[in-house]
Amino acid sequence: DTEVTQTPKHLVMGMTNKKSLKCEQHMGHRAMYWYKQKAKKPPELMFVYSYEKLSINESVPSRFSPECPNSSLLNLHLHALQPEDSALYLCASSQDPNTSGRPGANVLTFGAGSRLTVL
Amino acid sequence: AQSVTQLDSQVPVFEEAPVELRCNYSSSVSVYLFWYVQYPNQGLQLLLKYLSGSTLVESINGFEAEFNKSQTSFHLRKPSVHISDTAEYFCAVSLSGSARQLTFGSGTQLTVLP
Repeated sequence: DTEVTQTPKHLVMGMTNKKSLKCEQHMGHRAMYWYKQKAKKPPELMFVYSYEKLSINESVPSRFSPECPNSSLLNLHLHALQPEDSALYLCASSQDPNTSGRPGANVLTFGAGSRLTVL
Repeated sequence: AQSVTQLDSQVPVFEEAPVELRCNYSSSVSVYLFWYVQYPNQGLQLLLKYLSGSTLVESINGFEAEFNKSQTSFHLRKPSVHISDTAEYFCAVSLSGSARQLTFGSGTQLTVLP
């Protein structure tokens, strides 16, 4: 199994709703990532979990709340979002968050994304 | 800090013609280099990577890229494109292999015309 699975594929929510995006991988990877991608733009890093602990938060607003229940799962909880938060949210994983002399261990595998629309 | 420049935002090309997507980077230290492809309404897929060794790397679907250290480039080439190659292509650079330092270029939309 060499996939990163994201659900739902599409999500429409109002500004007062609470919803969650889910990501799952069974490759034994120990690092998981959330990226945000606006149309025709490159992905922007939001969060990195390393060995199930939050290691990087790229100054993301608190209306986005990540959670890593175990080494295979990564959630992104959404609350009180704004229309400008509409985007494609990509999950990714890698074997190890640091190279430690094994650069191939940090190649990212991306999921297909969850397309979020905030009304 | 490193940076990545993809010189062409859009590249239209006819089917079966050759194509080159350009990528230049700036860094004062050694880098790892990647090309990712994003088909419409999909996530990113790793197309090929340069980590070490041979400077010419190839993908399974006919793309190749050559790491040129003196010109700080990692251009992507294919001798004959297909309609199915239509996609957004992102060049990315990593300094130490740490994902935090993975920097993406702005992307190049390749459109293959019949």
